[in-house]
Amino acid sequence: SQQGEEDPQALSIQEGENATMNCSYKTSINNLQWYRQNSGRGLVHLILIRSNEREKHSGRLRVTLDTSKKSSSLLITASRAADTASYFCATDQGGNEKLTFGTGTRLTIIP
Amino acid sequence: DTAVSQTPKYLVTQMGNDKSIKCEQNLGHDTMYWYKQDSKKFLKIMFSYNNKELIINETVPNRFSPKSPDKAHLNLHINSLELGDSAVYFCASSQKGFRGTQYFGPGTRLLVL
Repeated sequence: SQQGEEDPQALSIQEGENATMNCSYKTSINNLQWYRQNSGRGLVHLILIRSNEREKHSGRLRVTLDTSKKSSSLLITASRAADTASYFCATDQGGNEKLTFGTGTRLTIIP
Repeated sequence: DTAVSQTPKYLVTQMGNDKSIKCEQNLGHDTMYWYKQDSKKFLKIMFSYNNKELIINETVPNRFSPKSPDKAHLNLHINSLELGDSAVYFCASSQKGFRGTQYFGPGTRLLVL
């Protein structure tokens, strides 16, 4: 079964606005990662948040983690056209030697 | 310098053929992976290797055979290709096992006709 599910599946916003996407997962995790995938490219790591952390920042990115609700959110502030991409969360579950990727949110920034 | 490279970038072939995809990483990482991304962008792990040893074989048909000649290379050989094998295949690597940051190659787009 799918471990991580992003919401919404697709999001279109005007350049300069903030974009928020969410990830829900089903089992306990050690950490959660967010990746970006530009069209026709491989995934690029954005940020990792550990299960004992609640919030993390990196430039225009802000990630929150709520382990009680088994959810995470990725906020991109002051969006730019170059932020147009698909965004995936990935979780590791204790005991499984792998990352499980979510279904992705396709973000389109309208210039 | 490309950190994780894959060849070929595109692969178009007939059903029943055998093909290989090569992957190399110059990051000095111990762990390498093969992922399959389907047409709906769903990314699923196929194999992982740590220091040339198989760690994960995620219920992949045995037509798929990974080979790791050294820890910088993880190749994927596919026998008797089927239509359902059409997908994008990504190689990735990480330094400290699966929990750390994974670095992805550019992908190999496989189309089976």
